[in-house]
Amino acid sequence: DVKVTQSSRYLVKRTGEKVFLECVQDMDHENMFWYRQDPGLGLRLIYFSYDVKMKEKGDIPEGYSVSREKKERFSLILESASTNQTSMYLCASSPILHGNMGGYTFGSGTRLTVV
Amino acid sequence: QKEVEQNSGPLSVPEGAIASLNCTYSDRGSQSFFWYRQYSGKSPELIMFIYSNGDKEDGRFTAQLNKASQYVSLLIRDSQPSDSATYLCASGAGVSGNTPLVFGKGTRLSVIA
Repeated sequence: DVKVTQSSRYLVKRTGEKVFLECVQDMDHENMFWYRQDPGLGLRLIYFSYDVKMKEKGDIPEGYSVSREKKERFSLILESASTNQTSMYLCASSPILHGNMGGYTFGSGTRLTVV
Repeated sequence: QKEVEQNSGPLSVPEGAIASLNCTYSDRGSQSFFWYRQYSGKSPELIMFIYSNGDKEDGRFTAQLNKASQYVSLLIRDSQPSDSATYLCASGAGVSGNTPLVFGKGTRLSVIA
């Protein structure tokens, strides 16, 4: 069964801490994404990567950074966690099909609470 | 700004009825369209995708695409209480394989037993 695995299901961190969210996919997908999802705001793209060591800013990159050292792993870093970063974080991956973005496979999500 | 619009709902239908979920998109160059189901507290799950004008059927689900009207729909026949979830519509730009999908905010469906 193909999978996108996020390292933590629930996480509680203190304001100012550096937070690492890890995501691993086993489908050899080129593209990987980090979203956050908040009630009423839908999915908001933070960063994405279409190749190893490549990264692109999404709609809301402020306060976040990413790392993709290997094709299967995409990490999201909160440099200094703040309470407004309390959210559900979703990692996804997708293939490139016929030159187009394929459908995403999402991880199970990490619910992060910053106190 | 590329957008995908969905009615937020909730859309309530009785068990056994047809549920019709609709979505419009702003980017006329969009080539691929996806429907995701998301149960409360869970992550989205891909249930249908469509690339060509017309209908695509998979079990109780039918996706419909009308590129001239920039309109995508998802029909769920014989709706079950287990279909109660939020349904997200997404479009792919078709420019390259590196352009992220554009998601709507979702429509909440409630199937009443």
